Amino acid sequence: QVQLQESGPGLVKPSGTLSLTCAVSGGSITSSNWWSWVRQSPGKGLEWIGEIYPSGSTIYTPSLNSRVTISLDKSKNHFSLSLSSVTAADTAVYYCARGIQFARGYFDYWGQGTLVTVSS
Amino acid sequence: EVVLTQSPATLSLSPGERATLSCRASQSVSRFLAWYQQKPGQAPRLLIYDTSKRATGIPARFSGSGSGTDFSLTISSLEPEDFAVYFCQQRSDWPPYTFGQGTKLEIK
Repeated sequence: QVQLQESGPGLVKPSGTLSLTCAVSGGSITSSNWWSWVRQSPGKGLEWIGEIYPSGSTIYTPSLNSRVTISLDKSKNHFSLSLSSVTAADTAVYYCARGIQFARGYFDYWGQGTLVTVSS
Repeated sequence: EVVLTQSPATLSLSPGERATLSCRASQSVSRFLAWYQQKPGQAPRLLIYDTSKRATGIPARFSGSGSGTDFSLTISSLEPEDFAVYFCQQRSDWPPYTFGQGTKLEIK
């Protein structure tokens, strides 16, 4: 059974960088899946941030493209999210998720989510 | 960006009743639409993908239908554990993949 677990600071200062890691267990991050980050806030609902393939290819949502980086570490079987120049609008629960292998863009496994608050 | 609009915002029903939730897309998404269930404090759970295909382990009382811009999720006979928030999501036109704002299914 694949499991995903987010980790990282729960509090980030405005203009700082949000950094989260998603540890994958019960499966390999080098499998033929795209790995995504999704966030959820009361004001904006569920918002897809971006995805990465084991080859290192990435695709980001246009609205965050200038501030987001997703990377992957095969040796640690995890992938990471970096979001720069954060504001209060980036306060949300952040989820990592696995895209279905044969139906990219749907998410069959999710982490439990981690709340990140942007505040001074 | 494809905007998904769900209705109603809240649906009040009793266990054993039939529930029908709707999702309308701002442009055609063909059949590339999924449904998720989310309970408080939990991550979304994939129920249906490609409009009508049930994900692994999802009970047969959950079914999906539609195409183009109009879709629905039907729960044939509500169980107590079905009361939750439901989201639709499209993967037809991306980036980005987009989600609806959710329908809360509550006990009447």
